[in-house]
Amino acid sequence: DGGITQSPKYLFRKEGQNVTLSCEQNLNHDAMYWYRQDPGQGLRLIYYSQIVNDFQKGDIAEGYSVSREKKESFPLTVTSAQKNPTAFYLCASRDTGTVSNEKLFFGSGTQLSVL
Amino acid sequence: AQSVTQPDIHITVSEGASLELRCNYSYGATPYLFWYVQSPGQGLQLLLKYFSGDTLVQGIKGFEAEFKRSQSSFNLRKPSVHWSDAAEYFCAVGAGTASKLTFGTGTRLQVTL
Repeated sequence: DGGITQSPKYLFRKEGQNVTLSCEQNLNHDAMYWYRQDPGQGLRLIYYSQIVNDFQKGDIAEGYSVSREKKESFPLTVTSAQKNPTAFYLCASRDTGTVSNEKLFFGSGTQLSVL
Repeated sequence: AQSVTQPDIHITVSEGASLELRCNYSYGATPYLFWYVQSPGQGLQLLLKYFSGDTLVQGIKGFEAEFKRSQSSFNLRKPSVHWSDAAEYFCAVGAGTASKLTFGTGTRLQVTL
């Protein structure tokens, strides 16, 4: 079945540590996104990528980094510079082919907590 | 800048009762509007979307929403709620590309039996 796979489901970070969240899709979508979800704050865009080897900052990119070396993969690194990383992280993808496909497909998320 | 307001943080309805979740948006041009649903610990699933045309849009699971430009609203409705509809619902507005979607803070729906 086609879809988006996020791993791990739960992740713990120690002080000063960088951690990487995985996002893989087999939908053949060009665009991929990372959102951060905090209780009562909805979803906020961290980074997005419209095409391989290109990505743009979203609204809250500080303390995060991404790469897009393959169409299928869009990993997110939470660096030690992110002082409040505890949140639920959602990866999404979109088919950019036609306007009628303007919808996001979401993974099942990664819960990141600080030890 | 675009924005979305969902004024109700938490709503409780009885199974079989009707439901309306409110969404107000702010955007200068004709918006692209979406409703997504999220079960606990899961990603979001699209319920319905509005781009243009008929202002009453039908979605999955028996949901519908009506775009009212004069009120800047896109309220979600369902005539008879089922216990499985308990979840969190997010309204979102876009400028034509999903990369610029702005989400509301969500409304948590509880269904009593």
